[in-house]
Amino acid sequence: NAGVTQTPKFRILKIGQSMTLQCTQDMNHNYMYWYRQDPGMGLKLIYYSVGAGITDKGEVPNGYNVSRSTTEDFPLRLELAAPSQTSVYFCASSPLGTGEEKLFFGSGTQLSVL
Amino acid sequence: RKEVEQDPGPFNVPEGATVAFNCTYSNSASQSFFWYRQDCRKEPKLLMSVYSSGNEDGRFTAQLNRASQYISLLIRDSKLSDSATYLCVVNLYNFNKFYFGSGTKLNVKP
Repeated sequence: NAGVTQTPKFRILKIGQSMTLQCTQDMNHNYMYWYRQDPGMGLKLIYYSVGAGITDKGEVPNGYNVSRSTTEDFPLRLELAAPSQTSVYFCASSPLGTGEEKLFFGSGTQLSVL
Repeated sequence: RKEVEQDPGPFNVPEGATVAFNCTYSNSASQSFFWYRQDCRKEPKLLMSVYSSGNEDGRFTAQLNRASQYISLLIRDSKLSDSATYLCVVNLYNFNKFYFGSGTKLNVKP
C-alpha cells in the first residue's frame, strides 16, 4: 500500500519558471490537501479538495493553482515561481467523514526558487 | 489570532525526564484533536489522537480540556529518540480543514 506519493522530492527553479508538484493517493480518500512549511514554522494550508471536481482555497493560495480531476490525483501548479515560494511542500489526504479524521502525508517536496 | 498556538520551545531535557507540552485553540467548534511528530524536514506522522476523556499510549498521555480550549501531551521517561518537533493539530470538520500549531521542539540529551 503506497499511501500518499509526492514527486519530485527536490527541485530548483529559476524565478518566473513554472512547475507542477504531483500528488497521488491510493486509499480512496475524498479529502486532499496541499501545505507548505517554511523553516521553523508550522504548516500552512494552500488549497484543499473535498472530492473530484471540487477545490477550495486555504490560507495562502496566491501564486498556486490546483485541480482534482480524479479521486487519486491532486497536482499543485506554480505558474510564475518567486523566491517567496521556496519552501517544503506536503500533500496529504484524509478519510474525513468516515470516523477516521486523520491526515496521511506524502514525504514532501523541497523547492528552492533562485 | 492564530487558530492553534504552541510554545515553540525548545525544551531541553535529560533522558528519563518527564516533559509536558500545551497547545491552545481558538475555535470552540473544533471537533478532533491530534498530536503529530515531525523529524527534521520530514513529513509529520501521527503520534496520537486526543479524546475527551484523555488517553494514553505507552509513555505518552494526551488530554483535552474543551472548557479552556487546550490540549496537552505528557511524555514520561524521555528517550533520545523522542527528540523531534511536536505539532498540535485541530480539525474543524464543518470546514473540512486541519489547523496546525507551529510546533514545539524537544531535545532529549544523554
